[in-house]
Amino acid sequence: DSGVTQTPKHLITATGQRVTLRCSPRSGDLSVYWYQQSLDQGLQFLIQYYNGEERAKGNILERFSAQQFPDLHSELNLSSLELGDSALYFCASSAGGQGAGETQYFGPGTRLLVL
Amino acid sequence: AQKITQTQPGMFVQEKEAVTLDCTYDTSDPSYGLFWYKQPSSGEMIFLIYQGSYDQQNATEGRYSLNFQKARKSANLVISASQLGDSAMYFCAMREGFQGAQKLVFGQGTRLTINP
Repeated sequence: DSGVTQTPKHLITATGQRVTLRCSPRSGDLSVYWYQQSLDQGLQFLIQYYNGEERAKGNILERFSAQQFPDLHSELNLSSLELGDSALYFCASSAGGQGAGETQYFGPGTRLLVL
Repeated sequence: AQKITQTQPGMFVQEKEAVTLDCTYDTSDPSYGLFWYKQPSSGEMIFLIYQGSYDQQNATEGRYSLNFQKARKSANLVISASQLGDSAMYFCAMREGFQGAQKLVFGQGTRLTINP
């Protein structure tokens, strides 16, 4: 158990809908990262938050948004869902977000299926 | 340009044998970190081992060791005395630099199957 929690574990929804994925980082970690794992794109970085502030953006679609709250939990919002958004969405956390050697610990993931 | 290359889509190994999973990387940043993660069929990503670009020694964690060859830009994972529970996808990942985005860039993964 990495200490990172994600809810829900599974989500099935229809095209055009909006969903919210939730992540709680490990105790004491200030940085939260979101990744998408799909069959065709592999594991891709979406966005990073550090202590409530957006720090970096990756290949995140405009239909997707995220935030990190004062209690450090984070939410990833996916809207106008398309079939291609079906994927495993991971949240990861690390202590301070500094340093190339800082390990990111991953949550169990949310498996999203868009029908 | 592919930053992390894992050339072995699948590997089959007999239980108790050692196995080496290949990973090459590409970066011009002198400061970087290399990570290996394991993803069992249940889907979670489990951190295994880390190697820093300035580390003089190869990293080891129990049965896992990292064969770090900086000049060749390779960071191969060695699993000694493989077990059935080692069957999983293995991902090599890199993070560049000390400042700015600390995103991990992943390779495509290697599916390891341990045969009894």
